[in-house]
Amino acid sequence: DGGITQSPKYLFRKEGQNVTLSCEQNLNHDAMYWYRQDPGQGLRLIYYSQIVNDFQKGDIAEGYSVSREKKESFPLTVTSAQKNPTAFYLCASREASNEKLFFGSGTQLSVL
Amino acid sequence: EDQVTQSPEALRLQEGESSSLNCSYTVSGLRGLFWYRQDPGKGPEFLFTLYSAGEEKEKERLKATLTKKESFLHITAPKPEDSATYLCAVSGTASKLTFGTGTRLQVTL
Repeated sequence: DGGITQSPKYLFRKEGQNVTLSCEQNLNHDAMYWYRQDPGQGLRLIYYSQIVNDFQKGDIAEGYSVSREKKESFPLTVTSAQKNPTAFYLCASREASNEKLFFGSGTQLSVL
Repeated sequence: EDQVTQSPEALRLQEGESSSLNCSYTVSGLRGLFWYRQDPGKGPEFLFTLYSAGEEKEKERLKATLTKKESFLHITAPKPEDSATYLCAVSGTASKLTFGTGTRLQVTL
């Protein structure tokens, strides 16, 4: 089955620690996105990538980093510089000719 | 800056009680308006894309409509399994989706 796989489902971060969220897709989509979802707020764009080896900052990129070495993979690192990392993180992808996003099942990140 | 406002924030319906969810938007050059359904702890699931005023789309008990300023998601004779958060998003000339905060729908027996 084609889709987007996010792992882990739940992740805990200690203070000062960097953590990496995984996102893999087998839809052959060029564009991939990372969103953050907080209660009572709309999804906010962290980073996006239109093509391999290229990515752009979204609206709330501070404290996060990404890489896009393969078309299928777009991992997100939450660095220690992100002071309020507790949120639900969603990865998405879309095909070139369509604005419609396909989402993964999300990762809930909490701070210990 | 593109903006999306959804109302109400929460809606409780009895099974069979039809209603509508509202999505008001401002956008530079609408490329598409999207409706998604999101269950707790899961990613949003695509429902509809609307591209121009007057367009309508239906899927089972759901019907989405679009005007130049807003979109409605009409739910006819809802069932408990329709309980979820419904998200609206717009894509403008910046080719970036802007999401609303969603409407939490609860359908009771």
